[in-house]
Amino acid sequence: SQKIEQNSEALNIQEGKTATLTCNYTNYSPAYLQWYRQDPGRGPVFLLLIRENEKEKRKERLKVTFDTTLKQSLFHITASQPADSATYLCALGGDSSYKLIFGSGTRLLVRP
Amino acid sequence: GAVVSQHPSRVICKSGTSVKIECRSLDFQATTMFWYRQFPKQSLMLMATSNEGSKATYEQGVEKDKFLINHASLTLSTLTVTSAHPEDSSFYICSAHTGVGQPQHFGDGTRLSIL
Repeated sequence: SQKIEQNSEALNIQEGKTATLTCNYTNYSPAYLQWYRQDPGRGPVFLLLIRENEKEKRKERLKVTFDTTLKQSLFHITASQPADSATYLCALGGDSSYKLIFGSGTRLLVRP
Repeated sequence: GAVVSQHPSRVICKSGTSVKIECRSLDFQATTMFWYRQFPKQSLMLMATSNEGSKATYEQGVEKDKFLINHASLTLSTLTVTSAHPEDSSFYICSAHTGVGQPQHFGDGTRLSIL
């Protein structure tokens, strides 16, 4: 069955450093991958979408890579700030389906 | 843009009560809305997909008679948890999008607590 893995352990980094979060998947060939941010008690907020034919996408301090051979996406936040502290979810989707399959998320804590 | 409003944000009620949760897309028309359930520190689990004017499509293991979904317009979907019991206590989140491959826009969720 389809499986998405995100590091369940929290990532704890110093302000100003680059945070790198990993999303690995198996038994699936997604047409696109999305990253969301979720704060406690709130709904997820969309950040970036990358398609299978794209290697990299950037938006301000955010960068996403998508390696369909490794079946992996990396999510980078450069010059991290305490306000970036949240849980980050990756989600996979196919062209023929409306559904997204979500990973369980990785909690990021940025220390001042 | 792309704001989704979900109400109520929190419900506490007695066992056996039915609870209705509303999900509205405020500034766009949503072709499809989704209902998720999320347990602490776990992933969002899709419960059902709701299309305007048609019956909802439920995921395997989700009781359609227990979780009634109505999608009356392109901007409103409701989820009714019928005869709720303590095991139905959870965080329910709705989302909406405008097409396949487009981002989903989420409401802020409803924390349901059944006593």
